[in-house]
Amino acid sequence: DAGVIQSPRHEVTEMGQEVTLRCKPISGHNSLFWYRQTMMRGLELLIYFNNNVPIDDSGMPEDRFSAKMPNASFSTLKIQPSEPRDSAVYFCASTVLAGGGTQYFGPGTRLLVL
Amino acid sequence: SQQGEEDPQALSIQEGENATMNCSYKTSINNLQWYRQNSGRGLVHLILIRSNEREKHSGRLRVTLDTSKKSSSLLITASRAADTASYFCATDAIEETSGSRLTFGEGTQLTVNP
Repeated sequence: DAGVIQSPRHEVTEMGQEVTLRCKPISGHNSLFWYRQTMMRGLELLIYFNNNVPIDDSGMPEDRFSAKMPNASFSTLKIQPSEPRDSAVYFCASTVLAGGGTQYFGPGTRLLVL
Repeated sequence: SQQGEEDPQALSIQEGENATMNCSYKTSINNLQWYRQNSGRGLVHLILIRSNEREKHSGRLRVTLDTSKKSSSLLITASRAADTASYFCATDAIEETSGSRLTFGEGTQLTVNP
């Protein structure tokens, strides 16, 4: 298996632009997580899905952030409009819904908002 | 403070020495996991220890769990320069009914000097 796939790996954009991050979980995994990592705040859980259904989005910082999972093999995290404080590394992770199992992380998307 | 706090925040040792990192948590757990993150990469799962286990080994890694003190330690023996990374503990809380969510600590940055 190729592991969790994220795209793009790097994104540089200007403030106010829309940013879409993409994630393909490991085939057969039915839980998907979006995290944000910064030096100041560490690793933060933004939202997660079980069987394509959003379970907890309390970590989503603002209404500018939205996430979807239209099917078991694809998820997006959208920021509109983007702001410089959104600059971070965004990770997607997946696991099998079996209670606290190992999470498999993608390589991350490094976002820089100018 | 946050569930899953690592101690120390940073550790610098010489190659060949042992490295010990500690993690404390607040709620009752099903299991505790340790992850490693190399600079610029996603987190990688190292080892999982269940709440009814006290010690577990994997290669040069040794993990202990003390549920009465709500703490865990990760020992890396005979460290190598390639062990330089950040190490995170993650807990699966018993009251987490959705089944798959983990709570990550803030991490320990380990530097192994050649």
